[in-house]
Amino acid sequence: DIQLTQSPSFLSASVGDRVTITCRASQGISSYLAWYQQKPGKAPELLIYAASTLQSGVPSRFSGSGSGTEFTLTISSLQPEDFATYYCQQVSSFPLTFGGGTKVEIK
Amino acid sequence: EVQLVQSGAEVKKPGESLKISCKGSGYTFSSYWIGWVRQMPGKGLEWMGTIYPGDSDTRYSPSFQGQVTISADKSISTAYLQWSSLKASDTAMYYCARRKVSSEEFDYWGQGTLVTVSS
Repeated sequence: DIQLTQSPSFLSASVGDRVTITCRASQGISSYLAWYQQKPGKAPELLIYAASTLQSGVPSRFSGSGSGTEFTLTISSLQPEDFATYYCQQVSSFPLTFGGGTKVEIK
Repeated sequence: EVQLVQSGAEVKKPGESLKISCKGSGYTFSSYWIGWVRQMPGKGLEWMGTIYPGDSDTRYSPSFQGQVTISADKSISTAYLQWSSLKASDTAMYYCARRKVSSEEFDYWGQGTLVTVSS
């Protein structure tokens, strides 16, 4: 199975901050990586797929980059509604796997 | 509008059986894969398996193969996740989600079904 390691697992930031979350894969997955946002008590929502393609309706302050084994999710200017947990997911091979999550909290 | 509506919360005893459902609407249900994802209390997301309602082709995670059964009835646009004998460790939130047409990401999610297994 392909393991995904997210870092940090927790971060504290302020509104307006630039935030970067990293996801590292245990083997190369080309660009077969997605990012999801999950708010407490809610289902996850797809933010980015194919490593860098913004899902329809997702604000442009979210961006993704990377290929191979290292990927990043960047929020250019953190908004109050962005405080949530973020997960990466590899869709390169079965079984599909998720990273452990990064919780973004208000400083 | 694409919607996935899941059945309500369940409280069961160890050893009991259970079948939860996920009804799709707003799109051609039989043409999109549906996946199931587990989230144990306070934990992350785990992919359990995915089914193509058009022909019931199913793929399971090795971690869940033999532990659950995924099925679908395209005539009523509904996918199912079932257990024959629940364990306390099956206590979790279960989400269904629609796979994008040309890749494996999940673009629409159900609201989740909380399953609690306790004696």
